[in-house]
Amino acid sequence: DQQVKQNSPSLSVQEGRISILNCDYTNSMFDYFLWYKKYPAEGPTFLISISSIKDKNEDGRFTVFLNKSAKHLSLHIVPSQPGDSAVYFCAAPAGGGSNYKLTFGKGTLLTVNP
Amino acid sequence: GAGVSQTPSNKVTEKGKYVELRCDPISGHTALYWYRQSLGQGPEFLIYFQGTGAADDSGLPNDRFFAVRPEGSVSTLKIQRTERGDSAVYLCASSPQITGELFFGEGSRLTVL
Repeated sequence: DQQVKQNSPSLSVQEGRISILNCDYTNSMFDYFLWYKKYPAEGPTFLISISSIKDKNEDGRFTVFLNKSAKHLSLHIVPSQPGDSAVYFCAAPAGGGSNYKLTFGKGTLLTVNP
Repeated sequence: GAGVSQTPSNKVTEKGKYVELRCDPISGHTALYWYRQSLGQGPEFLIYFQGTGAADDSGLPNDRFFAVRPEGSVSTLKIQRTERGDSAVYLCASSPQITGELFFGEGSRLTVL
């Protein structure tokens, strides 16, 4: 039972355009979400997060939107740059006393073409 | 280095052998985590340490897997009688407190032939 789903295994965009990466979740107890970025042969690195009390969080070129009623979040990158090419994981802590336990989606490979 | 360090970066072993994977967390981070990433999947939680004790080992797949952190810093993940299905990248992460913002190492890629 996958509680965090990233249904697009890959996405390709042109440099300068917007990249939109999507994530759906099934567990209504999730109240905090994170995006991690992973380059080949490196560990994931934290990118941006959002609490369920917000519907948007922005950090430079990266914005995460949360739609609680739809159990859906998205990461927008604008403008996209070739260095953004990586695998992006959506994740959520288990909640309650288990916030250390992250559930990850399968990831989306983003390729930004020059 | 200032980051999480994992050794070895690559380990090839034969089915049935014993393997140890080491993690050196960021200095001062009390929380340490092990995750496993299989091909085409996201990282999956294995075990969490707060200090020296394993606060939650519910993600360990079976009793062939064991992890220790005897002095509250370096941790070792131990796998007995390895099986081909154990092949994966084993990721270690640390954090200064319980938070989703984990600092991951580069991982140890285990291949069981």
